Amino acid sequence: QQQVKQSPQSLIVQKGGISIINCAYENTAFDYFPWYQQFPGKGPALLIAIRPDVSEKKEGRFTISFNKSAKQFSLHIMDSQPGDSATYFCAASTEAGTALIFGKGTTLSVSS
Amino acid sequence: GAVVSQHPSRVICKSGTSVKIECRSLDFQATTMFWYRQFPKQSLMLMATSNEGSKATYEQGVEKDKFLINHASLTLSTLTVTSAHPEDSSFYICSARDFRVGGTGELFFGEGSRLTVL
Repeated sequence: QQQVKQSPQSLIVQKGGISIINCAYENTAFDYFPWYQQFPGKGPALLIAIRPDVSEKKEGRFTISFNKSAKQFSLHIMDSQPGDSATYFCAASTEAGTALIFGKGTTLSVSS
Repeated sequence: GAVVSQHPSRVICKSGTSVKIECRSLDFQATTMFWYRQFPKQSLMLMATSNEGSKATYEQGVEKDKFLINHASLTLSTLTVTSAHPEDSSFYICSARDFRVGGTGELFFGEGSRLTVL
């Protein structure tokens, strides 16, 4: 499997702050980059996704920034809330229907 | 929106027995489903790609004779862990991509099945 590298492994942010999680990929054939949120004991849920034809996508408090030349993309969570405390995974795949390859995950804790 | 359902959500079995986990796409047809395994505090690792009407494609290092996958219909894939051992205890998650016309192509995940082998 092609690797998707995610950092940091864990992150502590104060309520109202900005959470930033970064990912880098190797396979230039990837053209679909989603972020998933997972709570303990649950399956992952799609937060937001981007395709390489745009450099940024925003949905509510969540923004993906995408740098195609650097093969990097990041998730920004604005005005972080305690309810955002979860594990976040970046992933990548091709649009041809192949499986997602996941990063190792980032455990986010938002302190109130 | 599209929903993927897994059953059972939790199963405990004795070592040496077999366990079957079902994955259903509830409101769309899925010619392809994916099975992942997740150990505690780790990422999701792709085990196999399940193709309707044909053999599954397994990732390197995954024993196809131990993890039997059957995708007999466009809405159902099953994973059978045969002769389960304690090291097979894990969280198994299936997913399916919604390729309906006008859909987003989003990959939907089931809620996962927690397997504990005693």
